[in-house]
Amino acid sequence: EVQVVESGGGLVQPGGSLRLSCAASGFTFSSYWMSWVRQAPGKGLEWVATIKEDGSEKYYVDSVKGRFTLSKDNAKNSVYLQMNNLRGEDTAVYYCARGRFGGQQPASPWGQGTRVTVSS
Amino acid sequence: SYILAQPPSVSVAPGQTARLSCGGDNIATKSVHWYRQRPGQAPELVVSNGSDRPYGIPDRFYGSKSGNTATLTISRVEAGDEAVYYCQVWDVSRDHLKVFFGGGTQLTAL
Repeated sequence: EVQVVESGGGLVQPGGSLRLSCAASGFTFSSYWMSWVRQAPGKGLEWVATIKEDGSEKYYVDSVKGRFTLSKDNAKNSVYLQMNNLRGEDTAVYYCARGRFGGQQPASPWGQGTRVTVSS
Repeated sequence: SYILAQPPSVSVAPGQTARLSCGGDNIATKSVHWYRQRPGQAPELVVSNGSDRPYGIPDRFYGSKSGNTATLTISRVEAGDEAVYYCQVWDVSRDHLKVFFGGGTQLTAL
């Protein structure tokens, strides 16, 4: 079964850091781009970041550039989102998805999400 | 930035056809993807690249586009189709990639 499972969410103070993990199984991880999308409470979907199959290219939404870093470990079938200098507006459920939202790799499947709350 | 406009809600009677619109500048020239999000669940791809369906999505789901509007058509609507549906496009070039979502449409089976 193809699946991705997120972990690492939690409560963090403004200015703090958190590292989200996404473990993949059931497919050749090294052949796929991977992405993160977030959903603030009661809101819609917002793309956060995408990383190329080999990790050589990374793309971010403007609001997280310089604060979030995406990495991919093909040996461990995992992708990581390091989030620094967190702000209240980063509070959301963070979803990991296989694919890059276009081309021959639309985003599927998605994980169940991990909740990040930034609050003092 | 690329704006995708979706109506907040659409209601149809079970067994009828729902048409969910997604407006965007010259959207007919773009690959459009559709996701549904059932209450308390993660989003799920239902139509990709305009009209392709992932395994397990019934052919009641159909995507189309023309001019400035893309449409997800759901025929013979069932209670289990109730969800928020999001359209999505991407903007990609040699040095950038950006992904845009519509605000979502809540589909209600009356």
